[in-house]
Amino acid sequence: ETGVTQSPTHLIKTRGQQVTLRCSSQSGHNTVSWYQQALGQGPQFIFQYYREEENGRGNFPPRFSGLQFPNYSSELNVNALELDDSALYLCASSWDGSNYGYTFGSGTRLTVV
Amino acid sequence: QKEVEQDPGPLSVPEGAIVSLNCTYSNSAFQYFMWYRQYSRKGPELLMYTYSSGNKEDGRFTAQVDKSSKYISLFIRDSQPSDSATYLCATIDNNDMRFGAGTRLTVKP
Repeated sequence: ETGVTQSPTHLIKTRGQQVTLRCSSQSGHNTVSWYQQALGQGPQFIFQYYREEENGRGNFPPRFSGLQFPNYSSELNVNALELDDSALYLCASSWDGSNYGYTFGSGTRLTVV
Repeated sequence: QKEVEQDPGPLSVPEGAIVSLNCTYSNSAFQYFMWYRQYSRKGPELLMYTYSSGNKEDGRFTAQVDKSSKYISLFIRDSQPSDSATYLCATIDNNDMRFGAGTRLTVKP
């Protein structure tokens, strides 16, 4: 299977709840990065996983956590949701963290009410 | 100061025009520079990448990096309505891709 797929495409949650977003990496890609894109802004780096280990983290609090599985699929978990967490969450995969080989999914639009 | 600055526009041009999109960056250590195109309700799609200074051409698109002035440009020749999208410049720093805010471009038929 080619391409990066993310699920769900849209999600509405209540403040204080927890959410799990999922990503299936492009075949053969062992590196996955997660980004948060607020409306009208560029994507902001959350963290990266390489071979199931966290391999870099942006300026996001610990309530943002992730997992990467042996089949290179991954999850982004956000606890204690806040209104400002409303955004498009993007997953991007690459081979060995190639500097310009990232393939993005279409994202999950999360709305926190 | 943001590490990558980009004028958000919006920018509207007639079909066939030459489009110039620009970004500035603050850290002279950045070496890799990318341009992504993002259609509405889609993820970013890599258009061009360059390493260090210089020009790179791909069809109607030319990417230009001037490291002396920390300036990144994307030129689109013979613009088409299908080029209407948001264009994001980006650079990489230790696995962390830093994006500009994106410029929203509309090409009118």
